[in-house]
Order: sequence, then structure tokens, then C-alpha cells
Amino acid sequence: DAMVIQNPRYQVTQFGKPVTLSCSQTLNHNVMYWYQQKSSQAPKLLFHYYDKDFNNEADTPDNFQSRRPNTSFCFLDIRSPGLGDAAMYLCATSPRTQPQHFGDGTRLSIL
Amino acid sequence: AQSVTQLDSHVSVSEGTPVLLRCNYSSSYSPSLFWYVQHPNKGLQLLLKYTSAATLVKGINGFEAEFKKSETSFHLTKPSAHMSDAAEYFCVVTVSYNTDKLIFGTGTRLQVFP
Repeated sequence: DAMVIQNPRYQVTQFGKPVTLSCSQTLNHNVMYWYQQKSSQAPKLLFHYYDKDFNNEADTPDNFQSRRPNTSFCFLDIRSPGLGDAAMYLCATSPRTQPQHFGDGTRLSIL
Repeated sequence: AQSVTQLDSHVSVSEGTPVLLRCNYSSSYSPSLFWYVQHPNKGLQLLLKYTSAATLVKGINGFEAEFKKSETSFHLTKPSAHMSDAAEYFCVVTVSYNTDKLIFGTGTRLQVFP
């Protein structure tokens, strides 16, 4: 029944070791988003895709990259994670001009 | 510029009593407004949305919100709190007519006591 699926739910990586988080959707929405949410804060938009058009937020660190190989999948790559990148990462999808549907997130820990 | 202010960072109620979570917005045009709920270690779930139709919006789980343009408010209410309502609630406004980007309030944590 899940419509926006994030894997894994919990990810532990080492300082500086690249990590990839994945998101898939069964809704066929053309917009996909990646958010970073730190403890007791609102989600912060990192970037979003409208179909294959990539839109990066101005304050998203260069360390963060994304790929969207097809409509259903989107990946968040963190090239060299620092301690400050420990957070919940949320994926969301929407049709254009409609509310966003969120996955349950991946909680990333950095050792 | 668009912005949203959630007036309370924490709200505590007893089970069975009414819930009021307050939200004020600022927008240079007619906004779309949303309330999302987030339970611990979960994603955000849409409770309800206002998009310039009826000013009183009914959502899931017995929640509703009223859009008041004169007060620039969009407060969330529920007549009777349930233990399962304990969560973080976010008031959200869209950046423009295009809802691709959202502006979040800082969130209100609702505690429900038995």
C-alpha cells in the first residue's frame, strides 16, 4: 500500500564515506523532492525534479547530489558525509500544483 | 514574500478536550495553505489543504481549519483530542501559484495526556 518508499529506513556510515539513499514511488508523479530534517526542525528542501529537470536550492551544499534515472526512482548521494549531515532525509512526490506525498524517511547517522 | 508563523512550539491537552494549533501566514497573493502531521520517525502526512474554495476545510481524523483572510490565520482545530493525535504539526504555505515549493512553519508539538 506504500506509495513513496524510502530505503533503507536507517543508514549508518562513516565520516567521509559516500552514501546513497533511495526513493521510489508508485504514484507516477512527475515531481520528486529531497528534504533534510534535523531534530526538532522543519524539513529543508535540498532539491527537486520536475520530470528530468533538476532544481537545486541555492544553499544546498555541493556535497549533496541527486539522480533520477526514471519517473519512479530518485537517489540522494552524499559524497563525503560530515557529522553535520546526520539527519532524517525525506523524499516526497507530487503531480504539478498538488500537495506533496512523503515517504517515511531515512535516518542517517555518521560515525 | 510568503511566510508562515506557528504561534506555539508546544501544546498540551487532555484526552477528550479540544485542540487548537495556531498559524498565521503572510502572502502577497491568495495562498494555498496546508497542515501536515508528523509522528515520530515517520514522514509527513497531509491533514488538510486550503486552495481558495470553502474557507472552512475539513481534513482527516476529525481535524479542520478555517482560513480567515482578515486575520491572515489558518488555525487547526479538533473538538476532542485522542492519544494518537500526539505528534508534530506543520503549517505550510506555497511559494507561489506553483505548489512545487513549500514554506514550512517551525512546527507545533502536540502532547495529549490521559
